[in-house]
Amino acid sequence: FMLTQPHSVSESPGKTVTISCTRSSGSIATNYVQWYQQRPGSAPTPVIYEDDQRPSGVPDRFSASIDSSSNSASLTISGLKTEDEADYYCQSYDGSNHRVFGGGTRLTVL
Amino acid sequence: QVHLVQSGTEVKKPGASVKVSCKVSGYTLTELSMHWVRQAPGKGLEWMGGFDPENGETIYAHKFQGRVTMTEDTSTDTAYMEVSSLRSDDTAVYYCASPVIIDALDVWGQGTTVTVSS
Repeated sequence: FMLTQPHSVSESPGKTVTISCTRSSGSIATNYVQWYQQRPGSAPTPVIYEDDQRPSGVPDRFSASIDSSSNSASLTISGLKTEDEADYYCQSYDGSNHRVFGGGTRLTVL
Repeated sequence: QVHLVQSGTEVKKPGASVKVSCKVSGYTLTELSMHWVRQAPGKGLEWMGGFDPENGETIYAHKFQGRVTMTEDTSTDTAYMEVSSLRSDDTAVYYCASPVIIDALDVWGQGTTVTVSS
């Protein structure tokens, strides 16, 4: 299966942005979805795990959900800060525990 | 606190092989489930494979089966990832990563740049 994300999104500081991640086949609810943030020149770090859980240290401005009706997951960042500018990747699993990454979304905070 | 330190930059010719290492400190390798992810220049993340604790085996993404081998040396807490029959489109940054605290890849190595060029 594939996970499809928008190539890019942009929003102003202080606003809210939502990044979608649509699963091409199989139910989005069957396997956990993780979200990673990657700043230029750095390794990725998780901002969401197990669909909607925030790792310690990730601000509560980051939230996520899954929607079975659209077979997609969403990452929402509220109160945008310039430091949130980065690439964001969703990741899930197939039935054999193989991990699949989405194509990534470039977030620009302007 | 766990740290993953990878080996340095590699430049290889097409058809050659490359072996990247990932040294674990702060934990033992047996306490982790090591995965490998690569990122071609300007492209997204691509999961290559990793250890599946549910069945105790290393699993590979289908496109890498037969050309990639992931091994571990528990005596030195070092994981290895070898790619054979290198092609120009294998040019990428290769990362080792593992779940530690949470069920996501929350610890990453610094990345190893592999360039394949004639």
